[in-house]
Amino acid sequence: DIVMIQSPDSLAVSLGERATINCKASQSVLSTSNKKNYLAWYQQKPGQPPKVLIYWASTRESGVPDRFSGSGSGTDFTLTISSLQAEDVAVYYCQQYYGTKTFGQGTKVEI
Amino acid sequence: EAQLVESGGGLVQPGGSLRISCAASGFSFSHESMSWVRQTPGKGLEWVANTNADGSEKNYVDSVKGRFTISRDNAKNSLYLQMNSLRAEDTAVYYCSKEAYHFDYWGHGTLVTVSS
Repeated sequence: DIVMIQSPDSLAVSLGERATINCKASQSVLSTSNKKNYLAWYQQKPGQPPKVLIYWASTRESGVPDRFSGSGSGTDFTLTISSLQAEDVAVYYCQQYYGTKTFGQGTKVEI
Repeated sequence: EAQLVESGGGLVQPGGSLRISCAASGFSFSHESMSWVRQTPGKGLEWVANTNADGSEKNYVDSVKGRFTISRDNAKNSLYLQMNSLRAEDTAVYYCSKEAYHFDYWGHGTLVTVSS
């Protein structure tokens, strides 16, 4: 199975500042046939299920604020929150769907 | 908008069985692949099983193969997970999720606790 490792495990960011979360896959999740990266990002707030933010590594889900962006290819990916808002306090997960679906361990974002 | 509502969780003894259900609405259930994903404080999020739109294909994570069975009833817009030979490590919140390659809709989950 593809192992997903996120860094850092937690980070504290001031309101209005940038937050950057990294995700590394143990093998490439880039399809050579369609040139798509099979990588999604989720946000989970306490007591709620995960909510998809980004899929295909950089496609923002409908309704997700544009301060959230995804980048990267192959094995290395980044989720960026350009200007942290109070409502962005949550745990963020990356997930690959290239092989048997697996998640990163999560990154807790605090203010 | 898609809605997924899980039910059937509870306390079960090690070695016991439980069936959890997921009622779907707001989308064309019979045309969509569906998954169960579980979450524990220790292991985080783990995909458990999925099935394609007509239920002819089913896949499982290795740790539940031979013990869990995913099924669906498209006439009832429902997804199920039959869990047998339950172990303490199966204790988790179980989420039903609609698949669009990634998981685009999630239910709120049902808690399964395996303990004597």
